[in-house]
Amino acid sequence: SQQGEEDPQALSIQEGENATMNCSYKTSINNLQWYRQNSGRGLVHLILIRSNEREKHSGRLRVTLDTSKKSSSLLITASRAADTASYFCATDANDYKLSFGAGTTVTVRA
Amino acid sequence: DAGVIQSPRHEVTEMGQEVTLRCKPISGHNSLFWYRQTMMRGLELLIYFNNNVPIDDSGMPEDRFSAKMPNASFSTLKIQPSEPRDSAVYFCASSDTGGYGYTFGSGTRLTVV
Repeated sequence: SQQGEEDPQALSIQEGENATMNCSYKTSINNLQWYRQNSGRGLVHLILIRSNEREKHSGRLRVTLDTSKKSSSLLITASRAADTASYFCATDANDYKLSFGAGTTVTVRA
Repeated sequence: DAGVIQSPRHEVTEMGQEVTLRCKPISGHNSLFWYRQTMMRGLELLIYFNNNVPIDDSGMPEDRFSAKMPNASFSTLKIQPSEPRDSAVYFCASSDTGGYGYTFGSGTRLTVV
């Protein structure tokens, strides 16, 4: 079953703009991870944030986590055409299994 | 490292036939996962191995599905007999600490006609 739910389902932005997507989940977690999937490819791990962390950065990515609201956000700054992909949040409820959301499809227009 | 290697990349088979999907995890990773991805259901965890032992197979949809991991470098997912509703992309993923950043293979796109 899917624990994480991403919002929006789809996002279209101009190159250079920022893209923000959100993830909500239902149960307590050990950590939350974000993955990217390009069309026809496997998922690629982007970033992991632990339950005791509130914010994390990796290059142009910024992830926040609010455990009181059971939500996370992924911000991609200065988007590029190569950022066009589907983005998934995944939660680890300390049972070593990742539960994935339905994903947000991001299209970056040149 | 070549990453997680799955074969075949594409498989088209007739209903009722046996299908075997293969996976070679990253050397040194002790956890292996099989996921299925469809438009309707998204990514579903089918089975999780730790140190070659199946830990959780609660996601395996039916007895028609079986998975093995005879050693640390190889796993198979078998569907017998296959049905059209099994059509999906099947991913194998591995991890070295169980859940801390999976490495996914490129997937096997299965079409059952």
